[in-house]
Amino acid sequence: DAKTTQPPSMDCAEGRAANLPCNHSTISGNEYVYWYRQIHSQGPQYIIHGLKNNETNEMASLIITEDRKSSTLILPHATLRDTAVYYCIVRAAGGTSYGKLTFGQGTILTVHP
Amino acid sequence: GAGVSQSPSNKVTEKGKDVELRCDPISGHTALYWYRQSLGQGLEFLIYFQGNSAPDKSGLPSDRFSAERTGGSVSTLTIQRTQQEDSAVYLCASSLVGQGDSYGYTFGSGTRLTVV
Repeated sequence: DAKTTQPPSMDCAEGRAANLPCNHSTISGNEYVYWYRQIHSQGPQYIIHGLKNNETNEMASLIITEDRKSSTLILPHATLRDTAVYYCIVRAAGGTSYGKLTFGQGTILTVHP
Repeated sequence: GAGVSQSPSNKVTEKGKDVELRCDPISGHTALYWYRQSLGQGLEFLIYFQGNSAPDKSGLPSDRFSAERTGGSVSTLTIQRTQQEDSAVYLCASSLVGQGDSYGYTFGSGTRLTVV
């Protein structure tokens, strides 16, 4: 599986956009980038995923560079409830591990008033 | 049910005892995953079931750990002769596989296991 690199922590002011970077320089052509977050004491929550094109849903936007070696998760108007650990994951593309998610250490995002 | 259900939510056991953790995936989801998360750590993959295929057991930390999935639905993770280092939150997730290459995973709330 392609490995991902994220900053260990980030801060963001409430109401501002939070931009969380992820490096996945060894990603394969048919591997997807997934983002999850985990709020304290809860199971991880799906946010968004993409392959090549930028994606947007009600929670966030995902910007993937043209070479696919990095991506950025954007929370357009961060709230205090967005404080969580954010995981950038590249999904296994095939073989017996198809579909398995490999979690890294993630980025601790703290949204402050 | 509407989500992935895990039971029990909390389990305290004595060192050396066996424990069973249960996961009820979302109905119709063909793939099921077990992860564990030690205090302050990231998620560690344990095992992955996909339909009738042989499970991917590459993440099981020792032969004290085993899991089965009966009838393609409910899964049980068994830890034999528990040790204190087994204390963690055990998370289960399920997903649809085969719906193109685009599917999401839904996690349960986990079972917090404490070995004393």
